[in-house]
Amino acid sequence: NADVMQNPRHLVRRRGQEARLRCSPMKGHSHVYWYRQLPEEGLKFMVYLQKENIIDESGMPKERFSAEFPKEGPSILRIQQVVRGDSAAYFCASSPPSFGQGTTGELFFGEGSRLTVL
Amino acid sequence: AQSVTQLGSHVSVSEGALVLLRCNYSSSVPPYLFWYVQYPNQGLQLLLKYTSAATLVKGINGFEAEFKKSETSFHLTKPSAHMSDAAEYFCAVRIVGNTPLVFGKGTRLSVIA
Repeated sequence: NADVMQNPRHLVRRRGQEARLRCSPMKGHSHVYWYRQLPEEGLKFMVYLQKENIIDESGMPKERFSAEFPKEGPSILRIQQVVRGDSAAYFCASSPPSFGQGTTGELFFGEGSRLTVL
Repeated sequence: AQSVTQLGSHVSVSEGALVLLRCNYSSSVPPYLFWYVQYPNQGLQLLLKYTSAATLVKGINGFEAEFKKSETSFHLTKPSAHMSDAAEYFCAVRIVGNTPLVFGKGTRLSVIA
């Protein structure tokens, strides 16, 4: 969904560098989700955020990965000291708040950011 | 915790043939179920969703899915495959509340002329 904006679309980093991926949700959406896609593994949930708050980070690796969704500006997924195993497509999705109160729970996805670690 | 199993990582059909992509879910509470499609190098697009209303759900591009509680299934079908249907299809489950969408591993559909 083009209304969820992710950038950069493609990012190349050398081992040990930092990667920052940005996501601007659809207008009116205050919840953001990050997923990682590896070949043959589907989409793995990483983290679920609302403005200034992490709701669920159960899928985030304990080290090197962090995410934020500040009051102003896009959500950012940050990967420090990247390794080759971090090479993947990272997808952001957004939704209205409060699934279950008149909403039907689907997420709206961006086009993804494809990280390549050399 | 909820989970999804998609049987068959790769399905191949002839153009004009029936498409059947299988999805089984596990959830301790009533689930909301979704099918998404992903074309190469693109994001995910919602095909259809089950939200506890009608058990037979119609989506875009001629696809439909039927929720069967007794079988914990939500299989995706299309009567006649078209070349443009070639893509990866993901089944996903979610429960009400501050929970993420949980995806299956996906099924790659190939359509042979």
